[in-house]
Amino acid sequence: QVQLQESGPGLVKPSQTLSVTCSVSGDSISSGGSYWNWIRLHPGKGLEWLGYIHGNGNTHYNPSLNSRITMSLDTSKNQFSLGLTSVTSADTAMYFCARANLEPMTRFFDYWGQGILVTVSS
Amino acid sequence: EIVLTQSPGTLSLSPGEKATLSCRTSQRIGTKYLAWYQHKPGHAPRLLIYSAFTRATGVPDRFSGSGSETDYTLTISSLEPEDFAVYYCQQYGSSLPWTFGQGTKVEIK
Repeated sequence: QVQLQESGPGLVKPSQTLSVTCSVSGDSISSGGSYWNWIRLHPGKGLEWLGYIHGNGNTHYNPSLNSRITMSLDTSKNQFSLGLTSVTSADTAMYFCARANLEPMTRFFDYWGQGILVTVSS
Repeated sequence: EIVLTQSPGTLSLSPGEKATLSCRTSQRIGTKYLAWYQHKPGHAPRLLIYSAFTRATGVPDRFSGSGSETDYTLTISSLEPEDFAVYYCQQYGSSLPWTFGQGTKVEIK
């Protein structure tokens, strides 16, 4: 059974960098068979896909985040991470990590973490 | 970017009633690339339907998906108490970014 679990600070100050990590069990992030994604849910709004990282390190980010976003892998720990710079209150959200399979017709999100609430406030 | 519009925003129903949720896409995406998720606060979102029609493993058959081109529907034939939640549609086609609808909340009447 694949399981994902987010971790990181729940409070970030404005203009600083948000960092969240996803620990994966039941699958190897370096196996190359999946995309590893970040998705967020703003209070009172819908879900927003932020981007993915593949096990080979290739990434694709949502253009709405411009150059503020980075994703990285730690294959030794079977973890992947999200970094979001210059945060504002608009980045306050529940952040989820999720897996999508590589094959085009199966790129839905089949496994998700429970999410971590990150609040941007001074 | 493909925009998904869900309606209604909120559906107030009683257990045992039928729920019909709509998702309209701004472009044709092909039935193979439309999914539905269920989300309850404090829980991980749950994949219900993929490829517009196919139930994910373990999803009860009271959940069904239909539609094509730009109009898709999630139907819950008879609401159980555990079905009251927020439902999202999502497109995962070749056109990035992948996008979600804004959600439909199914609440107890």
